[in-house]
Amino acid sequence: GQNIDQPTEMTATEGAIVQINCTYQTSGFNGLFWYQQHAGEAPTFLSYNVLDGLEEKGRFSSFLSRSKGYSYLLLKELQMKDSASYLCAVRGSNAGNMLTFGGGTRLMVKP
Amino acid sequence: EAGVAQSPRYKIIEKRQSVAFWCNPISGHATLYWYQQILGQGPKLLIQFQNNGVVDDSQLPKDRFSAERLKGVDSTLKIQPAKLEDSAVYLCASSLESASGYGYTFGSGTRLTVV
Repeated sequence: GQNIDQPTEMTATEGAIVQINCTYQTSGFNGLFWYQQHAGEAPTFLSYNVLDGLEEKGRFSSFLSRSKGYSYLLLKELQMKDSASYLCAVRGSNAGNMLTFGGGTRLMVKP
Repeated sequence: EAGVAQSPRYKIIEKRQSVAFWCNPISGHATLYWYQQILGQGPKLLIQFQNNGVVDDSQLPKDRFSAERLKGVDSTLKIQPAKLEDSAVYLCASSLESASGYGYTFGSGTRLTVV
């Protein structure tokens, strides 16, 4: 089975940097995803890591350590519009390759 | 490309009633998923289809939930009879292949309220 943990809520200031952590325990691993979900909307894809290391995409970066079962999402130069839930999801190596989601981290950006 | 279409957007029903949700995935996407997202939680997989075949439905409460994907395109998810704890957003997602590096594309979801 899969167990994915991330903090429930975080608060940060506009213009600052915030790091959202995710730890996972899985029976198989075939990639880790981060999604952004604004209130009342569908999740949208942010990043994908399958190898160890840092993937940078504009203001957002995602890091993976497979040996530690650990990932983080780094948001730089925070903007008010970044207030949302951030979902960590792990893809197993079973036949379906489906994603298992964590509970999400609700980020509130304050002026 | 057009996104994943879902309808209805909202639905309110009384407990013990029946309800059905519809999903039209992105054209050409072979894999389709139904997720249940209870308020304040992450999405939980209910069922995965590959074309018109079921890949995984281990978390689908089969005594009341059913889903089908006829002709390997559109899909419907049905709840009969509904319970109060079924109140949630039902998200449909699709992907070109199950091991895509881009994950899924989600629809806007159907928000179900059971009263």
